[in-house]
Amino acid sequence: DVKVTQSSRYLVKRTGEKVFLECVQDMDHENMFWYRQDPGLGLRLIYFSYDVKMKEKGDIPEGYSVSREKKERFSLILESASTNQTSMYLCASSLTSGGVDLDEQYFGPGTRLTVT
Amino acid sequence: AQSVTQLGSHVSVSEGALVLLRCNYSSSVPPYLFWYVQYPNQGLQLLLKYTSAATLVKGINGFEAEFKKSETSFHLTKPSAHMSDAAEYFCAVSKYNFNKFYFGSGTKLNVKP
Repeated sequence: DVKVTQSSRYLVKRTGEKVFLECVQDMDHENMFWYRQDPGLGLRLIYFSYDVKMKEKGDIPEGYSVSREKKERFSLILESASTNQTSMYLCASSLTSGGVDLDEQYFGPGTRLTVT
Repeated sequence: AQSVTQLGSHVSVSEGALVLLRCNYSSSVPPYLFWYVQYPNQGLQLLLKYTSAATLVKGINGFEAEFKKSETSFHLTKPSAHMSDAAEYFCAVSKYNFNKFYFGSGTKLNVKP
């Protein structure tokens, strides 16, 4: 079974702090994603990466950055946390399929971040 | 741009009743379509996916969905709801060569005894 783990389930930070959210997958997947989930808005893509050291902006990248130094690890960084970044953050990974079908994304359990 | 619309942010059914969760997509080309379920305080788990092999797709836990190109729909159904089906359900669409998924806003399913 694919396993995607996130470093914390719950996190409380103060405004202005630098925050690191870590995600690790154990199935050698090329693609990794960071989403934030807010009530009534579904999941919105922040950043994704399709290879080590490669990254692409998603739909809401402002206020975030990412790092992917190793294939299995994808970090989300909040350079200066703000209260409007209070949310549930979900990490996902997927395989780049060599066939016709698109592989699904596998999700971690999420990190609920509160910025006070 | 692709988008997904889920009609009804909350759906309530009685145990044993039919479950119908609606999903419509907009896409310029035939997409890949997915349904995910999220139980409280957990990540998302794949229920089923449509990848053009068959229009009626069967998933886990007795759920199925039918792809209707003419209606640009991919509604999720289950003949008989169980209390354990109470969760939030997300429809997602993607195109193969982008690896990006677009998620709907979610539908919370409540199952009454």
